[in-house]
Amino acid sequence: QKEVEQNSGPLSVPEGAIASLNCTYSDRGSQSFFWYRQYSGKSPELIMSIYSNGDKEDGRFTAQLNKASQYVSLLIRDSQPSDSATYLCAPGGYGQNFVFGPGTRLSVLP
Amino acid sequence: GAVVSQHPSRVICKSGTSVKIECRSLDFQATTMFWYRQFPKQSLMLMATSNEGSKATYEQGVEKDKFLINHASLTLSTLTVTSAHPEDSSFYICSASPGNGEKLFFGSGTQLSVL
Repeated sequence: QKEVEQNSGPLSVPEGAIASLNCTYSDRGSQSFFWYRQYSGKSPELIMSIYSNGDKEDGRFTAQLNKASQYVSLLIRDSQPSDSATYLCAPGGYGQNFVFGPGTRLSVLP
Repeated sequence: GAVVSQHPSRVICKSGTSVKIECRSLDFQATTMFWYRQFPKQSLMLMATSNEGSKATYEQGVEKDKFLINHASLTLSTLTVTSAHPEDSSFYICSASPGNGEKLFFGSGTQLSVL
């Protein structure tokens, strides 16, 4: 079973700051990772995918993957109150069990 | 991105009735769909994996006779909550993957309230 660990938070950052969300995983065989965002009362939505070591940028979001350290992170630049949500990290690949952890609750303070 | 449609978005029913929730993949075929339940301020809990043309696989502790899952086609899975009780009140969410079981696309969820 592929497991991930995230700090459940809440992580509070001021508006305009960089929010850093971290995730470690147990399965060295995991080849892909996904970040989902869930607003309160809504279903999750996919916001980032990353398959290779290094950084992947998409607008204000940057995903970072370090397979050697079994670590993946999500940086949100210029954080906005609308970014306040729970962020879920999930590995992909064959055998992914699609079981999510509690995620990290982010609160961006105006 | 791929679209997963879930209906109804909200349902209120009396205790003892059954409720059916539909989950459709609109622009891709989904051999496998997933059903989750989420109580307020808690994590998503995987209830079952729905497989087209075969029986669903239920997670430990989920009553298969109470939560009936049917995956009759590659684009439609249904979850029926039978003889619903107030403790079944929750947010039910389906999801599907268009490819090889990697990224998931979620339906908008169904808020079930059992009176």
